[in-house]
Amino acid sequence: EAQVTQNPRYLITVTGKKLTVTCSQNMNHEYMSWYRQDPGLGLRQIYYSMNVEVTDKGDVPEGYKVSRKEKRNFPLILESPSPNQTSLYFCASSSNTGQGYTEAFFGQGTRLTVV
Amino acid sequence: GNSVTQMEGPVTLSEEAFLTINCTYTATGYPSLFWYVQYPGEGLQLLLKATKADDKGSNKGFEATYRKETTSFHLEKGSVQVSDSAVYFCALSDQDGNQFYFGTGTSLTVIP
Repeated sequence: EAQVTQNPRYLITVTGKKLTVTCSQNMNHEYMSWYRQDPGLGLRQIYYSMNVEVTDKGDVPEGYKVSRKEKRNFPLILESPSPNQTSLYFCASSSNTGQGYTEAFFGQGTRLTVV
Repeated sequence: GNSVTQMEGPVTLSEEAFLTINCTYTATGYPSLFWYVQYPGEGLQLLLKATKADDKGSNKGFEATYRKETTSFHLEKGSVQVSDSAVYFCALSDQDGNQFYFGTGTSLTVIP
């Protein structure tokens, strides 16, 4: 089954304690990205990756890091989390279907609370 | 640049009512347009898509037509059900096909 898997689904942590949210896809997609979802702001892109070892900033990259060492994995790293990073996070992967469009697949989401 | 503007919510409807959620976009070139749905506690799922002007996307009774002249992609359903309660996101992917741009989402609640 084609899927994007994020872990953990829920996480409560304290300010300043480094954490990693993992994301893995089994569709051999080149493109992966991270979004955060906040009330009234919709989905905002944090970082994206066009392929292995190629990453770039999205709209709200401050306070986050990513890496793309393998095609299937795209972890999101918060080196020193702060309360304003409390949010719902989604990983997505996509690839051109060869029929003139790209379809994005999303993980189930990670609800992060930083206290 | 590229952007998507969609109708503010929340929207509350009675079962079997007609639904319209407005979406307009700004884009260079020829984007593809999408509606995604997010059910409570879940990730986003593709609801329907349209890849060129005048295309109509449809799925589960929902429809949207890609109108280049009005840069719109409004979502409609003739008779909503309680199970349609969710958040709906309008989105576009740029001409190159990899960057997605999402609207802010519209929360729909359908009451029996």
